[in-house]
Amino acid sequence: AQSVTQLDSQVPVFEEAPVELRCNYSSSVSVYLFWYVQYPNQGLQLLLKYLSGSTLVKGINGFEAEFNKSQTSFHLRKPSVHISDTAEYFCAVSVAITFGGYNKLIFGAGTRLAVHP
Amino acid sequence: GAVVSQHPSRVICKSGTSVKIECRSLDFQATTMFWYRQFPKQSLMLMATSNEGSKATYEQGVEKDKFLINHASLTLSTLTVTSAHPEDSSFYICSARADRVGTEAFFGQGTRLTVV
Repeated sequence: AQSVTQLDSQVPVFEEAPVELRCNYSSSVSVYLFWYVQYPNQGLQLLLKYLSGSTLVKGINGFEAEFNKSQTSFHLRKPSVHISDTAEYFCAVSVAITFGGYNKLIFGAGTRLAVHP
Repeated sequence: GAVVSQHPSRVICKSGTSVKIECRSLDFQATTMFWYRQFPKQSLMLMATSNEGSKATYEQGVEKDKFLINHASLTLSTLTVTSAHPEDSSFYICSARADRVGTEAFFGQGTRLTVV
């Protein structure tokens, strides 16, 4: 079964420092991978996605992620964070439902990024 | 990106009553909609998937009779929490996708349900 593991529940970092949020997935088939951000009491906003092609994916707000098939990882990075980046970040994998004709998203447990001045 | 509107954003209801939450895709037709539940400081738990014109597919452990899902049109899905109890208090989020095997889903703003 497919699953997503986010290795860090919380990541504290100082403003303007670089950050990496780790994500590993397990899947026996081709996957689509996503990173979402959630601000308090709000829904999820897509940061970036990997469908195919270049393994380095650039997203909104200066974030990027690299798909590494051999390590089954999709880590999120930003070279310089801002206070406004403080939020919950979720990694997700899109899973095809056999005989269902649709895909569903499986989410990791989330990583709380706390940016301090 | 596409817009998904979820209403209400907050609702407080008495124990034993039913609550309906609406999820609308405003600028696209949503063939597939998903309902999630999120407990404080936890991830999203998929409750069910609904495809327009079909019965919803519930995840294991989710009570079909308690969480009624209707996807009657390509722009609207509803989740009704029947006979709500305090343990049903949670944050409910819907998402919608334009086609069954598409890759990107758009999320509503979420509904904070408090049962007193």
